[in-house]
Amino acid sequence: KNQVEQSPQSLIILEGKNCTLQCNYTVSPFSNLRWYKQDTGRGPVSLTIMTFSENTKSNGRYTATLDADTKQSSLHITASQLSDSASYICVVSAIDYKLSFGAGTTVTVRA
Amino acid sequence: KAGVTQTPRYLIKTRGQQVTLSCSPISGHRSVSWYQQTPGQGLQFLFEYFSETQRNKGNFPGRFSGRQFSNSRSEMNVSTLELGDSALYLCASSLTGTALSYEQYFGPGTRLTVT
Repeated sequence: KNQVEQSPQSLIILEGKNCTLQCNYTVSPFSNLRWYKQDTGRGPVSLTIMTFSENTKSNGRYTATLDADTKQSSLHITASQLSDSASYICVVSAIDYKLSFGAGTTVTVRA
Repeated sequence: KAGVTQTPRYLIKTRGQQVTLSCSPISGHRSVSWYQQTPGQGLQFLFEYFSETQRNKGNFPGRFSGRQFSNSRSEMNVSTLELGDSALYLCASSLTGTALSYEQYFGPGTRLTVT
């Protein structure tokens, strides 16, 4: 069973609307959680990185939250733009350097 | 500062052949990690090199190997190619390591097609 589960698998939103992506994990002992954005045909780009003590971190219109007690994270996209259409991948790092990857959420923003 | 570069960008090989992919990390970065990405499996970790030493390894067969040179450039080799090896192979560099430094910078990937 994958140690990082992302939901939904895909979603379609209208330009200007907000959306929230979910990431639940079972990785332990936890080191940090990262959200990446991957445009089609390109490598992933880091959006946020959070450690155990961080609850919220923002990067422009992207805001990530982390609840280390429930092992849940979310990525909120505010006022979506067409350029936000991409795959968003949640990656959890354990303290022994092992990385666990979610399958990703594909976001499509329509005009 | 130049980003992570990978060569070649696209490659077509036949079953049974071998292939070598190259990755040049960001200048000053000493850690290079390799990943395989397929539509069905998503991103999967292959291995990580730091200062010419393999520091971590994922769950891939021995046909997948790699090395890192003194200038931090890294190569990945896949021998006896199988159809299932068709994937996007991504390289990522970081200053010190995947967990310690947190920040990884990915290259554009090499798209390998095995026929």
